[in-house]
Amino acid sequence: DQQVKQNSPSLSVQEGRISILNCDYTNSMFDYFLWYKKYPAEGPTFLISISSIKDKNEDGRFTVFLNKSAKHLSLHIVPSQPGDSAVYFCAASRGNNFNKFYFGSGTKLNVKP
Amino acid sequence: KAGVTQTPRYLIKTRGQQVTLSCSPISGHRSVSWYQQTPGQGLQFLFEYFSETQRNKGNFPGRFSGRQFSNSRSEMNVSTLELGDSALYLCASKTYQPTGELFFGEGSRLTVL
Repeated sequence: DQQVKQNSPSLSVQEGRISILNCDYTNSMFDYFLWYKKYPAEGPTFLISISSIKDKNEDGRFTVFLNKSAKHLSLHIVPSQPGDSAVYFCAASRGNNFNKFYFGSGTKLNVKP
Repeated sequence: KAGVTQTPRYLIKTRGQQVTLSCSPISGHRSVSWYQQTPGQGLQFLFEYFSETQRNKGNFPGRFSGRQFSNSRSEMNVSTLELGDSALYLCASKTYQPTGELFFGEGSRLTVL
């Protein structure tokens, strides 16, 4: 039962433009969301998080938007850089569920120079 | 501050064998969780330990087990290996707080022949 879905397996964007990665979830009890980036042969690295009490969180070039009514979140990267090319995972949890996270299947971002 | 350390990084086993993977969390992190990553499936939650107690378990068969020691180091074991167990096994540590990110190790790549 895939409670977190990333329906786009891949995305290609030109350097300098905006990258938008999408994530949908089915469990309305999720209240904490994370985005991770993963390079080959490395573990995932944390990018940005958002709590359900907010609808937007920014950190430098990365912004996460949360639409609770649509059970949808998105990650915006502006401007995109070739070094951003990686697989991006979104993850969700219930705050009281002892660190159990549900991950999407990932979106492979390719930023072309 | 040292990151999450996983050993071994790569291993090859044959069907029917068993394997033990080790994880040393970030100093001070008492929560350790394990995830399985396979192509197209994202990260699937295996289990989470806190203070030597398993607090959460994912939907994996009983062949997958784990434990945590008093120093927070954790091991996971897979018995009677099957071809489908070939995957990247990721360990993540976290503080006890309900929010905050998971810190991942680089993973143990298991190949079952």
